Amino acid sequence: DIQMTQSPSSLSASVGDRVTITCRASQDIRNDLAWYQQKPGKAPKRLIDGASSLQSGVPSRFSGSGSGTEFTLTISSLQPEDFATYYCLQHSSYRTFGQGTKVEIK
Amino acid sequence: EVQLVESGGGLVQPGGSLRLSCAGSGFTFSSYEMNWVRQAPGKGLEWLSYISGTSSTIYYADSVQGRFTISRDNAKNSLYLQMNSLRAEDTAVYYCASMGRMDCWGQGTLVTVSS
Repeated sequence: DIQMTQSPSSLSASVGDRVTITCRASQDIRNDLAWYQQKPGKAPKRLIDGASSLQSGVPSRFSGSGSGTEFTLTISSLQPEDFATYYCLQHSSYRTFGQGTKVEIK
Repeated sequence: EVQLVESGGGLVQPGGSLRLSCAGSGFTFSSYEMNWVRQAPGKGLEWLSYISGTSSTIYYADSVQGRFTISRDNAKNSLYLQMNSLRAEDTAVYYCASMGRMDCWGQGTLVTVSS
């Protein structure tokens, strides 16, 4: 099975900060990776699929990069509504979520 | 409006069984792969199972293989998860989700396994 290692598990940042979250796959998953945002008490929402394709309606401050085994989600300028937990998901073989990164207010 | 609505959660004793349902509306249900995902209290997301639109392909996570069974009835626009031999660690909010060409999630249904 493919394991997804996500880091950091949490981070504190201020509005306007640039934030980077990383996911590493235990084997090559090409670009079969999505990023999700989840707010407390709500279902997750997909931000990016295909490692770098922004979903419709998602602000352009979100971007994704990477292929193979190393992937990155970047928020270029953190906004108040971005404080949430973020997960990567590989869908190359079965599906596996990363452990999550909680983005908190500094 | 595209919508998924789960039902069937509740309190069950260890070793018991429960069947979750997920009703889809606002889209051509049979055209989309579906998944079950759960989230234990205060924990991360865990993918459990996948079923293709025609039910020809089914996958399970190791944690539920042999205990849980996914199925769908496209005539009823419904997805199911039969859960047997439930354990305390199966306590979670269970989501149905289409995570393929379309990303759509239900609101979740809480399953509590406790004596």
